[in-house]
Amino acid sequence: KQEVTQIPAALSVPEGENLVLNCSFTDSAIYNLQWFRQDPGKGLTSLLLIQSSQREQTSGRLNASLDKSSGRSTLYIAASQPGDSATYLCAVPTPGSSNTGKLIFGQGTTLQVKP
Amino acid sequence: GAGVSQSPSNKVTEKGKDVELRCDPISGHTALYWYRQSLGQGLEFLIYFQGNSAPDKSGLPSDRFSAERTGGSVSTLTIQRTQQEDSAVYLCASSPRQGSPLHFGNGTRLTVT
Repeated sequence: KQEVTQIPAALSVPEGENLVLNCSFTDSAIYNLQWFRQDPGKGLTSLLLIQSSQREQTSGRLNASLDKSSGRSTLYIAASQPGDSATYLCAVPTPGSSNTGKLIFGQGTTLQVKP
Repeated sequence: GAGVSQSPSNKVTEKGKDVELRCDPISGHTALYWYRQSLGQGLEFLIYFQGNSAPDKSGLPSDRFSAERTGGSVSTLTIQRTQQEDSAVYLCASSPRQGSPLHFGNGTRLTVT
């Protein structure tokens, strides 16, 4: 059974710091991995999607890496800003399913960036 | 609209009543998903539609839960005889094709009193 774990559960940093959020998964036979952002009272916004054949994806100040063999992904946020404050979730498709939208989510990391 | 729209945004109902939650996906997105987010369980998959068909209903927690999709567009999630443990945020997502990122709505917060 696939399990997705995110560490830490919460993180507070001063504005301007670079930071890393961690995601681990137990079954390495994943099709892809997605990172989402969730603001309070809102839905999820897809940030980055890494295919299983890729090592990393970048979007602006965000960089996500994927190491399938070790069952790990990291989300790197450069020069953090107060507007980055949110909960960040990683998710992988259910192993053995052809339905890539049937996701298993981690519990999320709640980030607070202080001005 | 440009995004996935869900209504109502909040719903308070009495235990035992039926509720209907609506999702309007992004135009042209053939795949539609319902998820449930609760404090204790995190985000859980409920059901998947491809067009008007639901090939995967494996996440529906009981037979009190049902969903349909019409015209390859709007979907309705119905919960009959609501229980307090049904209280959660119900999120809908759509996608243009397999392997593409999911686009989520803002959810419906359901409170069963």
